[in-house]
Amino acid sequence: AQKVTQAQTEISVVEKEDVTLDCVYETRDTTYYLFWYKQPPSGELVFLIRRNSFDEQNEISGRYSWNFQKSTSSFNFTITASQVVDSAVYFCALTLFSGGGADGLTFGKGTHLIIQP
Amino acid sequence: DTGVSQDPRHKITKRGQNVTFRCDPISEHNRLYWYRQTLGQGPEFLTYFQNEAQLEKSRLLSDRFSAERPKGSFSTLEIQRTEQGDSAMYLCASSRQGFEKLFFGSGTQLSVL
Repeated sequence: AQKVTQAQTEISVVEKEDVTLDCVYETRDTTYYLFWYKQPPSGELVFLIRRNSFDEQNEISGRYSWNFQKSTSSFNFTITASQVVDSAVYFCALTLFSGGGADGLTFGKGTHLIIQP
Repeated sequence: DTGVSQDPRHKITKRGQNVTFRCDPISEHNRLYWYRQTLGQGPEFLTYFQNEAQLEKSRLLSDRFSAERPKGSFSTLEIQRTEQGDSAMYLCASSRQGFEKLFFGSGTQLSVL
């Protein structure tokens, strides 16, 4: 069975600092999708990015960037120049291509990010 | 998109009672998922519908749990004879196709006393 590990339970930084959230996954399948979701205090999970296992290119979207490395089974997320509005719980998740999406996402336990003003 | 709606937002019940939650997905989305999330944990997959057909169920889903999606539109999740361990946030999500991003509702917070 697949597994997603987010070892950082909570991170606290001062606004404008850069912060990296770690995600390590385990699966025997070679084809899969990885995701990051944000869960603000309101509770509704918000999609941030999807990456398939064939595409190891790093991606940047504004202040957000993602580093996917199959060799270390990691999919880390960096926020540059953090802002108070970035405060939330961030989840990394995995789904297998073989499941067709029917078996849902396997989530990590999440990292609670606190940005102090 | 009006978003995924869940009702009620909060439900407090006594142990042994039955409860039912409702989810209205985004209208053109034919895939619907239920997840359960407890404090300090990530969401856990419960079940999946493709239109009106329930195609996947997690082993986490005991016989006391049942879900329906009549006519492939809204979905209901019923828990019979609730137990204190059922206390959690129940999340609904929908998507158009497999592997697309999921749109989540705000969830129903269940407290079993």
